[in-house]
Amino acid sequence: RKEVEQDPGPFNVPEGATVAFNCTYSNSASQSFFWYRQDCRKEPKLLMSVYSSGNEDGRFTAQLNRASQYISLLIRDSKLSDSATYLCVVHSNYQLIWGAGTKLIIKP
Amino acid sequence: DTAVSQTPKYLVTQMGNDKSIKCEQNLGHDTMYWYKQDSKKFLKIMFSYNNKELIINETVPNRFSPKSPDKAHLNLHINSLELGDSAVYFCASSQSSGPPVGYTFGSGTRLTVV
Repeated sequence: RKEVEQDPGPFNVPEGATVAFNCTYSNSASQSFFWYRQDCRKEPKLLMSVYSSGNEDGRFTAQLNRASQYISLLIRDSKLSDSATYLCVVHSNYQLIWGAGTKLIIKP
Repeated sequence: DTAVSQTPKYLVTQMGNDKSIKCEQNLGHDTMYWYKQDSKKFLKIMFSYNNKELIINETVPNRFSPKSPDKAHLNLHINSLELGDSAVYFCASSQSSGPPVGYTFGSGTRLTVV
């Protein structure tokens, strides 16, 4: 089992819809969690940290389920500009472990 | 002011050549990294330096040699380039103390070996 796993997609979603994807991690002792966004031919950029109680930033909501060892990202009212690859990142054993990313395509 | 800058942005070179990629960060971070992202888009860590000391050295060919002259710089030298080295190489930095708030990445160096 990979340390961090994501559905690679692509998720094809109409503009305005709500989309959610999960990421599972194998190390139960993992300390912190992040979602990054990577646009085509660009560097990854931090989208949001994921807190134990769940957190929201505008249209984006991140949640952590320690019992089932997954984190999730929910995007409401999706925009064309949300099209990107979303990378799940887990801080474990003093380093960040990266998922392979989920590709999201928002269609007009 | 660019937080993490790496040069060059594009590098096209022939097999067998030796090349270097430079990285500098002005965020005051104490840890720097080199990542490789291949054609399948998977981001893999190669090296990590904390205060100029190597702390992570994943399984990469010894043709790859990182050098950190100070904690704001981490360069990557590659000897005897091979076709399989073609990828995007990202430099990143972070602060090891305090709550982990993720990395800041450079814009990447797209290396093409022909």
